[in-house]
Amino acid sequence: DAKTTQPNSMESNEEEPVHLPCNHSTISGTDYIHWYRQLPSQGPEYVIHGLTSNVNNRMASLAIAEDRKSSTLILHRATLRDAAVYYCSTSYGKLTFGQGTILTVHP
Amino acid sequence: SQTIHQWPATLVQPVGSPLSLECTVEGTSNPNLYWYRQAAGRGLQLLFYSVGIGQISSEVPQNLSASRPQDRQFILSSKKLLLSDSGFYLCAWSSDEQFFGPGTRLTVL
Repeated sequence: DAKTTQPNSMESNEEEPVHLPCNHSTISGTDYIHWYRQLPSQGPEYVIHGLTSNVNNRMASLAIAEDRKSSTLILHRATLRDAAVYYCSTSYGKLTFGQGTILTVHP
Repeated sequence: SQTIHQWPATLVQPVGSPLSLECTVEGTSNPNLYWYRQAAGRGLQLLFYSVGIGQISSEVPQNLSASRPQDRQFILSSKKLLLSDSGFYLCAWSSDEQFFGPGTRLTVL
Protein backbone atom coordinates (compact mmCIF):
# COMPACT_ATOMS: atom_id res chain seq x y z
CA ASP A 1 0.00 0.00 0.00
CA ALA A 2 1.28 3.41 -0.91
CA LYS A 3 1.94 5.74 2.00
CA THR A 4 0.01 9.01 2.14
CA THR A 5 0.97 12.32 3.70
CA GLN A 6 -1.57 14.91 4.82
CA PRO A 7 -1.33 18.10 6.87
CA ASN A 8 -2.25 17.55 10.51
CA SER A 9 -4.88 20.25 10.56
CA MET A 10 -6.60 22.93 8.50
CA GLU A 11 -9.10 25.64 9.26
CA SER A 12 -11.81 27.25 7.22
CA ASN A 13 -14.68 29.64 7.60
CA GLU A 14 -18.22 28.60 6.88
CA GLU A 15 -19.36 29.03 3.27
CA GLU A 16 -15.77 29.22 2.02
CA PRO A 17 -14.07 26.58 -0.16
CA VAL A 18 -11.62 24.16 1.41
CA HIS A 19 -8.79 22.38 -0.37
CA LEU A 20 -7.42 19.37 1.48
CA PRO A 21 -4.16 18.04 0.02
CA CYS A 22 -2.75 14.53 0.05
CA ASN A 23 0.62 13.31 -1.22
CA HIS A 24 0.89 9.73 -2.41
CA SER A 25 4.15 9.70 -4.34
CA THR A 26 4.50 5.87 -4.30
CA ILE A 27 1.06 5.13 -5.69
CA SER A 28 0.94 2.27 -8.17
CA GLY A 29 -0.69 2.54 -11.57
CA THR A 30 -3.79 0.58 -10.59
CA ASP A 31 -4.42 2.05 -7.14
CA TYR A 32 -7.47 4.23 -6.71
CA ILE A 33 -7.39 7.32 -4.52
CA HIS A 34 -10.03 7.23 -1.80
CA TRP A 35 -11.18 9.89 0.62
CA TYR A 36 -13.09 9.24 3.80
CA ARG A 37 -14.04 11.45 6.71
CA GLN A 38 -14.71 10.64 10.32
CA LEU A 39 -16.66 12.41 13.02
CA PRO A 40 -15.78 11.77 16.70
CA SER A 41 -16.83 8.34 17.93
CA GLN A 42 -18.23 7.35 14.53
CA GLY A 43 -17.03 5.09 11.77
CA PRO A 44 -15.40 6.64 8.70
CA GLU A 45 -17.73 7.81 5.95
CA TYR A 46 -16.94 7.49 2.25
CA VAL A 47 -16.51 10.83 0.50
CA ILE A 48 -15.16 10.27 -3.00
CA HIS A 49 -12.70 8.23 -5.03
CA GLY A 50 -10.95 8.43 -8.38
CA LEU A 51 -8.24 6.91 -10.53
CA THR A 52 -6.92 9.49 -13.00
CA SER A 53 -9.60 11.97 -13.92
CA ASN A 54 -11.07 14.60 -11.63
CA VAL A 55 -14.30 13.50 -9.99
CA ASN A 56 -17.33 15.32 -8.68
CA ASN A 57 -20.17 14.12 -6.48
CA ARG A 58 -22.74 15.71 -4.22
CA MET A 59 -20.30 15.88 -1.31
CA ALA A 60 -17.06 17.06 -2.86
CA SER A 61 -14.70 17.20 -5.82
CA LEU A 62 -11.45 15.33 -6.23
CA ALA A 63 -8.64 16.85 -8.21
CA ILE A 64 -5.90 14.37 -9.17
CA ALA A 65 -2.49 15.52 -10.31
CA GLU A 66 -1.44 14.43 -13.77
CA ASP A 67 1.36 12.26 -12.35
CA ARG A 68 -1.07 10.91 -9.70
CA LYS A 69 1.42 11.57 -6.95
CA SER A 70 -0.92 13.94 -5.19
CA SER A 71 -4.58 14.79 -4.98
CA THR A 72 -6.79 17.45 -3.46
CA LEU A 73 -10.21 17.05 -1.93
CA ILE A 74 -12.31 20.15 -2.53
CA LEU A 75 -15.27 21.13 -0.40
CA HIS A 76 -16.84 23.93 -2.38
CA ARG A 77 -18.70 25.60 0.50
CA ALA A 78 -17.71 24.39 3.93
CA THR A 79 -20.41 23.96 6.54
CA LEU A 80 -20.12 23.29 10.24
CA ARG A 81 -21.13 19.69 9.54
CA ASP A 82 -18.00 19.28 7.40
CA ALA A 83 -15.79 19.56 10.48
CA ALA A 84 -14.17 16.12 10.74
CA VAL A 85 -10.94 14.22 10.25
CA TYR A 86 -10.33 13.63 6.55
CA TYR A 87 -8.34 10.64 5.39
CA CYS A 88 -6.96 9.79 1.99
CA SER A 89 -5.88 6.30 1.06
CA THR A 90 -4.46 4.80 -2.08
CA SER A 91 -4.94 1.18 -1.19
CA TYR A 92 -7.91 -0.77 -2.40
CA GLY A 93 -10.02 -3.09 -0.33
CA LYS A 94 -7.63 -3.17 2.57
CA LEU A 95 -7.75 0.49 3.48
CA THR A 96 -4.94 2.05 5.46
CA PHE A 97 -5.35 5.50 6.93
CA GLY A 98 -2.66 7.72 8.32
CA GLN A 99 -3.27 10.47 10.84
CA GLY A 100 -5.52 12.40 8.49
CA THR A 101 -6.29 16.12 8.48
CA ILE A 102 -8.41 17.62 11.23
CA LEU A 103 -10.67 20.19 9.55
CA THR A 104 -12.04 22.93 11.76
CA VAL A 105 -14.84 25.08 10.33
CA HIS A 106 -15.48 28.44 11.96
CA PRO A 107 -18.96 30.01 11.89
CA SER B 1 -30.35 -0.72 1.24
CA GLN B 2 -27.36 -2.12 3.04
CA THR B 3 -26.88 -1.79 6.80
CA ILE B 4 -24.02 -2.81 9.03
CA HIS B 5 -24.45 -3.43 12.74
CA GLN B 6 -21.88 -3.70 15.49
CA TRP B 7 -22.32 -4.46 19.15
CA PRO B 8 -21.75 -3.61 21.81
CA ALA B 9 -21.22 0.10 21.29
CA THR B 10 -18.95 0.39 24.32
CA LEU B 11 -17.21 -2.19 26.45
CA VAL B 12 -14.99 -2.05 29.52
CA GLN B 13 -13.13 -5.26 30.25
CA PRO B 14 -10.41 -6.27 32.73
CA VAL B 15 -7.02 -7.43 31.55
CA GLY B 16 -7.02 -11.17 30.95
CA SER B 17 -10.73 -11.44 30.22
CA PRO B 18 -12.10 -12.81 26.92
CA LEU B 19 -13.58 -10.69 24.15
CA SER B 20 -16.24 -11.18 21.52
CA LEU B 21 -17.35 -8.38 19.20
CA GLU B 22 -19.98 -9.09 16.61
CA CYS B 23 -20.66 -7.49 13.24
CA THR B 24 -23.56 -8.27 10.92
CA VAL B 25 -24.41 -6.92 7.50
CA GLU B 26 -27.85 -6.68 5.93
CA GLY B 27 -28.90 -6.14 2.35
CA THR B 28 -25.95 -7.68 0.53
CA SER B 29 -24.63 -11.14 -0.24
CA ASN B 30 -21.10 -12.49 -0.03
CA PRO B 31 -19.56 -9.18 1.02
CA ASN B 32 -15.88 -8.70 1.75
CA LEU B 33 -15.70 -8.00 5.48
CA TYR B 34 -13.04 -6.19 7.48
CA TRP B 35 -12.07 -5.55 11.10
CA TYR B 36 -10.09 -2.39 11.82
CA ARG B 37 -8.74 -0.88 15.01
CA GLN B 38 -8.21 2.79 15.66
CA ALA B 39 -6.10 3.59 18.70
CA ALA B 40 -6.50 6.99 20.34
CA GLY B 41 -4.92 9.71 18.21
CA ARG B 42 -3.80 7.28 15.52
CA GLY B 43 -4.89 6.21 12.10
CA LEU B 44 -6.87 3.16 11.07
CA GLN B 45 -5.17 -0.24 11.19
CA LEU B 46 -6.52 -3.26 9.32
CA LEU B 47 -6.68 -6.34 11.56
CA PHE B 48 -8.52 -9.00 9.55
CA TYR B 49 -10.40 -9.35 6.32
CA SER B 50 -12.59 -12.09 4.90
CA VAL B 51 -13.73 -12.82 1.36
CA GLY B 52 -16.10 -15.63 2.35
CA ILE B 53 -17.39 -17.95 5.04
CA GLY B 54 -14.53 -19.46 7.02
CA GLN B 55 -11.92 -17.47 5.06
CA ILE B 56 -9.91 -15.15 7.30
CA SER B 57 -6.73 -13.26 6.52
CA SER B 58 -4.74 -11.67 9.32
CA GLU B 59 -2.85 -8.51 8.58
CA VAL B 60 -1.03 -7.94 11.84
CA PRO B 61 0.20 -10.50 14.41
CA GLN B 62 -1.66 -9.83 17.61
CA ASN B 63 -3.68 -11.08 20.51
CA LEU B 64 -6.89 -11.21 18.49
CA SER B 65 -8.63 -13.64 16.16
CA ALA B 66 -11.56 -13.42 13.78
CA SER B 67 -14.17 -15.81 12.49
CA ARG B 68 -16.89 -15.72 9.86
CA PRO B 69 -19.43 -18.40 10.71
CA GLN B 70 -22.07 -17.05 8.33
CA ASP B 71 -22.00 -15.04 5.11
CA ARG B 72 -22.95 -11.77 6.76
CA GLN B 73 -21.51 -12.28 10.24
CA PHE B 74 -17.99 -11.39 11.32
CA ILE B 75 -16.72 -11.91 14.86
CA LEU B 76 -13.62 -10.52 16.54
CA SER B 77 -12.37 -12.44 19.57
CA SER B 78 -9.65 -12.69 22.14
CA LYS B 79 -8.99 -15.30 24.80
CA LYS B 80 -7.12 -12.89 27.10
CA LEU B 81 -7.25 -9.15 26.64
CA LEU B 82 -4.18 -6.95 27.03
CA LEU B 83 -4.07 -3.27 27.96
CA SER B 84 -2.84 -2.56 24.43
CA ASP B 85 -6.05 -4.00 22.98
CA SER B 86 -7.93 -0.85 24.01
CA GLY B 87 -9.22 1.12 21.06
CA PHE B 88 -12.06 1.79 18.67
CA TYR B 89 -12.94 -1.31 16.66
CA LEU B 90 -14.62 -0.91 13.33
CA CYS B 91 -16.23 -3.47 11.07
CA ALA B 92 -16.66 -2.70 7.39
CA TRP B 93 -17.95 -4.30 4.23
CA SER B 94 -17.07 -3.40 0.67
CA SER B 95 -18.43 -3.26 -2.81
CA ASP B 96 -16.63 -0.52 -4.74
CA GLU B 97 -16.09 1.41 -1.55
CA GLN B 98 -16.04 0.45 2.08
CA PHE B 99 -18.92 1.09 4.41
CA PHE B 100 -18.17 1.19 8.09
CA GLY B 101 -20.22 0.22 11.09
CA PRO B 102 -20.74 2.48 14.10
CA GLY B 103 -17.78 0.97 15.97
CA THR B 104 -17.16 -0.48 19.42
CA ARG B 105 -15.17 1.50 21.98
CA LEU B 106 -13.17 -1.06 24.00
CA THR B 107 -11.37 -0.07 27.19
CA VAL B 108 -9.18 -2.66 28.86
CA LEU B 109 -8.37 -1.86 32.48
